[in-house]
Amino acid sequence: DAKTTQPNSMESNEEEPVHLPCNHSTISGTDYIHWYRQLPSQGPEYVIHGLTSNVNNRMASLAIAEDRKSSTLILHRATLRDAAVYYCILLAPYNFNKFYFGSGTKLNVKP
Amino acid sequence: DAGVIQSPRHEVTEMGQEVTLRCKPISGHDYLFWYRQTMMRGLELLIYFNNNVPIDDSGMPEDRFSAKMPNASFSTLKIQPSEPRDSAVYFCASSLGQFNAEAFFGQGTRLTVV
Repeated sequence: DAKTTQPNSMESNEEEPVHLPCNHSTISGTDYIHWYRQLPSQGPEYVIHGLTSNVNNRMASLAIAEDRKSSTLILHRATLRDAAVYYCILLAPYNFNKFYFGSGTKLNVKP
Repeated sequence: DAGVIQSPRHEVTEMGQEVTLRCKPISGHDYLFWYRQTMMRGLELLIYFNNNVPIDDSGMPEDRFSAKMPNASFSTLKIQPSEPRDSAVYFCASSLGQFNAEAFFGQGTRLTVV
């Protein structure tokens, strides 16, 4: 199964952009790249996902490398509410056997 | 929709007792997932259902754990008998299951077995 690698922790200043990296060198052609985050004492919540092209939504942007072996979640202006654990997950269509979370990146946002 | 609803939010039980956790998925979602989260092991996928049918239960730790989904609006995760090492936060999630569909998680049930 394709695995993802993320840094254990990162730190950012409030109102500055944050770039959270994820390596997935063994990604298959049908795997979508999903990002979830988990705020303290809450269940995970969906952030964004993509296949090949960069994606934007109201929460974040997802930049996917041309060879798809890595991706970056971009928070354009970090707020204190963005402090959470961010998970990068690979999912194939209709196959949730791989819907597991690694250790993620714990993001600390400093005021 | 009120989102994925789990009950109870907190459960404290004695070792050896039966514990039943409940989940109501979002209406119309055809996939349901049960996860367990501990500090040591992180988030673990225990089992998931598609259209009320269990698809993969390879994450269920032991025979003491069982999960059912009698209809599209209700699922249970049962532990019998419970042990202290089962103490964790248990999450339920549901999804439309399409390749571009997001999963919605409940608030979780914090289980403490003493």
